[in-house]
Amino acid sequence: QQQVKQSPQSLIVQKGGISIINCAYENTAFDYFPWYQQFPGKGPALLIAIRPDVSEKKEGRFTISFNKSAKQFSLHIMDSQPGDSATYFCAASKSNTGKLIFGQGTTLQVKP
Amino acid sequence: DAGVIQSPRHEVTEMGQEVTLRCKPISGHNSLFWYRQTMMRGLELLIYFNNNVPIDDSGMPEDRFSAKMPNASFSTLKIQPSEPRDSAVYFCASRTGTVGAGELFFGEGSRLTVL
Repeated sequence: QQQVKQSPQSLIVQKGGISIINCAYENTAFDYFPWYQQFPGKGPALLIAIRPDVSEKKEGRFTISFNKSAKQFSLHIMDSQPGDSATYFCAASKSNTGKLIFGQGTTLQVKP
Repeated sequence: DAGVIQSPRHEVTEMGQEVTLRCKPISGHNSLFWYRQTMMRGLELLIYFNNNVPIDDSGMPEDRFSAKMPNASFSTLKIQPSEPRDSAVYFCASRTGTVGAGELFFGEGSRLTVL
């Protein structure tokens, strides 16, 4: 059973455009929602994270939007750059465990 | 500071052989995770340890897979016997704390190919 569903599987965006990746979760006990970024040949690395007590978090060009009632959250990359080309994973966990469940990943290509 | 160190980085083996993947977590980290990454299934959690104790191994695919953490600075993931469907990139990750929100620090992975 896929607890965190991510879409789209792949995304192509022009330089300067907005990249949007969506995730949906099933378990209402989840209370921590990070996004990880992975470059080829490397392990994933934390990009940005949000708790469900806020609806949005912004760090530079990266923004998480969170909709608790819909059990959905999304990553927006503003002014996308070729250096943003990578695989992005959403994830979720419950505060009483350290177990982090990942979505299936989205491969982003930003064309110059 | 050294990050999470995994070995080998690449392993090619034949079906039926035993495979052992190794991980050295970041010093001081309390939790260690093993994930498997494939195109079809993304990042799957196989098992995780808190303070060297296995907490949840529900993601281990079958009895052919086993993991140990004999001390705070070393963990192994063993596959015996290996099968072609085990071909994947296996990641080890560690973090401070055992519960709650916290950043996972990943190694660079061990790419396993089973022929």
